[in-house]
Amino acid sequence: SAVISQKPSRDICQRGTSLTIQCQVDSQVTMMFWYRQQPGQSLTLIATANQGSEATYESGFVIDKFPISRPNLTFSTLTVSNMSPEDSSIYLCSADYNLGGVQETQYFGPGTRLLVL
Amino acid sequence: DAKTTQPPSMDCAEGRAANLPCNHSTISGNEYVYWYRQIHSQGPQYIIHGLKNNETNEMASLIITEDRKSSTLILPHATLRDTAVYYCIVRVAQGAQKLVFGQGTRLTINP
Repeated sequence: SAVISQKPSRDICQRGTSLTIQCQVDSQVTMMFWYRQQPGQSLTLIATANQGSEATYESGFVIDKFPISRPNLTFSTLTVSNMSPEDSSIYLCSADYNLGGVQETQYFGPGTRLLVL
Repeated sequence: DAKTTQPPSMDCAEGRAANLPCNHSTISGNEYVYWYRQIHSQGPQYIIHGLKNNETNEMASLIITEDRKSSTLILPHATLRDTAVYYCIVRVAQGAQKLVFGQGTRLTINP
């Protein structure tokens, strides 16, 4: 299976500040994904990050609030900007891997737990 | 919106088989059924996927009905560590695509 790591694993931040979350995958992948999981809720996709182009954001998410970088095929960052307590969530990155068959399987990192005070 | 329907919660005794149902009545011919689980807010863990044939791996078995409108994930000998939220997701497997998560089934394994 795939190995995906995230940094930091958790953080407590003050409102108005920004936090950048890093995601590293162990194999070159075309697309990486960023999800948010608010307390007690399911996962919601924030954006899809394709190397060499701007990220594609889902409805309700904007680049100014969640800027994403994808500098190469194994790394991506998500920044949560100008944070408010409503941004307290788990942020997860994922990537599709083709493990030798025709099907692609999406694997997830361990998540970054963010608490905004 | 999620294209699957799952019961919100289930209980199972430790050591017994846990059978988790999923309805996906609008599934397309090129969509696969994927199962993930999330243990205590960790990152979702991939379990298994299938198109139309039954599948088995070291974690679970997946039974898909002949009309592909529903499926069942089977954990043959549930342990306490299988307590988690289980998500059934349909997606086209070829080409990277986002996953649309529903609310899943919260499975509790009881001693």
